[in-house]
Amino acid sequence: EPEVTQTPSHQVTQMGQEVILRCVPISNHLYFYWYRQILGQKVEFLVSFYNNEISEKSEIFDDQFSVERPDGSNFTLKIRSTKLEDSAMYFCASSAQGLAGNTIYFGEGSWLTVV
Amino acid sequence: DAKTTQPNSMESNEEEPVHLPCNHSTISGTDYIHWYRQLPSQGPEYVIHGLTSNVNNRMASLAIAEDRKSSTLILHRATLRDAAVYYCILRETSGSRLTFGEGTQLTVNP
Repeated sequence: EPEVTQTPSHQVTQMGQEVILRCVPISNHLYFYWYRQILGQKVEFLVSFYNNEISEKSEIFDDQFSVERPDGSNFTLKIRSTKLEDSAMYFCASSAQGLAGNTIYFGEGSWLTVV
Repeated sequence: DAKTTQPNSMESNEEEPVHLPCNHSTISGTDYIHWYRQLPSQGPEYVIHGLTSNVNNRMASLAIAEDRKSSTLILHRATLRDAAVYYCILRETSGSRLTFGEGTQLTVNP
């Protein structure tokens, strides 16, 4: 079964450093998403991306965050200057369409620890 | 987003059916009801979704009340691998995000 893959599985970074989390969505999917989950808390939506632009973002997704689809297969989340509170599991997801009746498939996550 | 209410936790025995309830009294006519689950240290996993009619797939069944103000996820024979947090989520036709709540922590006893 096709799956969303994410790298790295775990990254430790120093506060203030830039981090790029990478994702390979399911082939032929058109909608891409990033979610995050701080340890012990709910899964939170960050951003959705379609047709090479952001279609929706949450209040969490401020100027420190950016997303990019640099080629036909990868989808990245960049955190420009990490803060301690950015420590979380980051999930990439994709769906074939953006309609409410479509399934969103999640990756296994990238665990980011900011020290 | 319309809100859902789920019990914080439920327990089941292995190989018995499990009925996970969800209340969504403010659901709108075009909201889809989605169920996801999250096993420990893993990403959310799609389980099932529906709009008005009951739905079945290889993982589970979804029973939707006639007035759509509640639904029940049915696992026909629970296994230890089904121990997870189960989320009932309403998704608007005009929105693209999934809004996760606290979900129901399902414990399966051997």
